[in-house]
Amino acid sequence: AAGVIQSPRHLIKEKRETATLKCYPIPRHDTVYWYQQGPGQDPQFLISFYEKMQSDKGSIPDRFSAQQFSDYHSELNMSSLELGDSALYFCASSPSGYEQYFGPGTRLTVT
Amino acid sequence: KNEVEQSPQNLTAQEGEFITINCSYSVGISALHWLQQHPGGGIVSLFMLSSGKKKHGRLIATINIQEKHSSLHITASHPRDSAVYICAVGSGGGADGLTFGKGTHLIIQP
Repeated sequence: AAGVIQSPRHLIKEKRETATLKCYPIPRHDTVYWYQQGPGQDPQFLISFYEKMQSDKGSIPDRFSAQQFSDYHSELNMSSLELGDSALYFCASSPSGYEQYFGPGTRLTVT
Repeated sequence: KNEVEQSPQNLTAQEGEFITINCSYSVGISALHWLQQHPGGGIVSLFMLSSGKKKHGRLIATINIQEKHSSLHITASHPRDSAVYICAVGSGGGADGLTFGKGTHLIIQP
């Protein structure tokens, strides 16, 4: 069965650089969620989209932005990267809300 | 904001033992999720519950809405069950993000 795809799987950036993470939901899933998990931390919700519109917003820094495109894939754009942005970034998708299917994550390292 | 408490934080058991992990939350929810995460790995969704009980193989999840409490049970535990088990709750609409507990680190020794 198709799963949530995230790219890249690993990314190394320097401070003050920008990064773009991509999430491809399971086909026919219309809702996408982004989560951030710092080292040794529990995941924190960043933002979600339903039918290409922002639905819910969590602890997403102003330096980050995200959108969902017409094909339902989503991109998380991160600017002015800081060392503290080093984390595992998960995307999840859902066909109708509630049940979330998680992607493998993108491990971002900021040096 | 919902507060999610899990217990125990760490659990080491012998192969074959019956395992119980508990989760409590502070305000009403729309759904509760049990997730599994292996070290350095991705998150796998085990169960989503809004009431009652669900079973999948050796895993059983229950929820008591009135008491705001859920349990995850593992029967006949095996070393491959070693992982972090995370309880997460959704409190709003379907597209709302989850609030996560801090996880239970489970080690099953052979």
